[in-house]
Amino acid sequence: QKEVEQNSGPLSVPEGAIASLNCTYSDRGSQSFFWYRQYSGKSPELIMSIYSNGDKEDGRFTAQLNKASQYVSLLIRDSQPSDSATYLCAVNTGAGNNRKLIWGLGTSLAVNP
Amino acid sequence: ETGVTQTPRHLVMGMTNKKSLKCEQHLGHNAMYWYKQSAKKPLELMFVYNFKEQTENNSVPSRFSPECPNSSHLFLHLHTLQPEDSALYLCASSQDVGLAPVKTDTQYFGPGTRLTVL
Repeated sequence: QKEVEQNSGPLSVPEGAIASLNCTYSDRGSQSFFWYRQYSGKSPELIMSIYSNGDKEDGRFTAQLNKASQYVSLLIRDSQPSDSATYLCAVNTGAGNNRKLIWGLGTSLAVNP
Repeated sequence: ETGVTQTPRHLVMGMTNKKSLKCEQHLGHNAMYWYKQSAKKPLELMFVYNFKEQTENNSVPSRFSPECPNSSHLFLHLHTLQPEDSALYLCASSQDVGLAPVKTDTQYFGPGTRLTVL
């Protein structure tokens, strides 16, 4: 059973701080990795995708991937109260027509003014 | 707006009712998905259609019946549901399933249908 693990939180950070969200996965063959943000009562929205080892930056967000350690993280710099949401990690698994995403439970982030 | 729409946004139904959920994507994608999201559980993949062909049925009970008439439209027909089927039902689309490169795995979600079964 392929799995994606996240700390469910809640993770609480003060406004302006760096929030660090972590995700581990079990399938060594995974090639694509995603972070989605989900506000309460809403659907998931894509924040970042990453495919290669190292860092990928987009504005205040940085995704970090380490395939050897099977670890992907999301850093949010200068956290804002509007960043308060659940962050879902998704990882692809399988091959051909069986390729699909498996999802973590999500980490709840609270940014305190 | 992600380019994926779902109707209705909220649905309350009795266990003997028959209803349908509708999803439409305007992204030119070839793969569409149904997910179930319940509290305290990860997103559960229910069905996948790739180029209108069903490629995944994740052991979903037969009271859920999907239909994909074309690559832009996806339906989920519901009948004789149970209270434990109450959840947020999410539709998503991606460029395709299984074709290289893996960037085609990126999924875009509709707003969801909040289903309550009485």
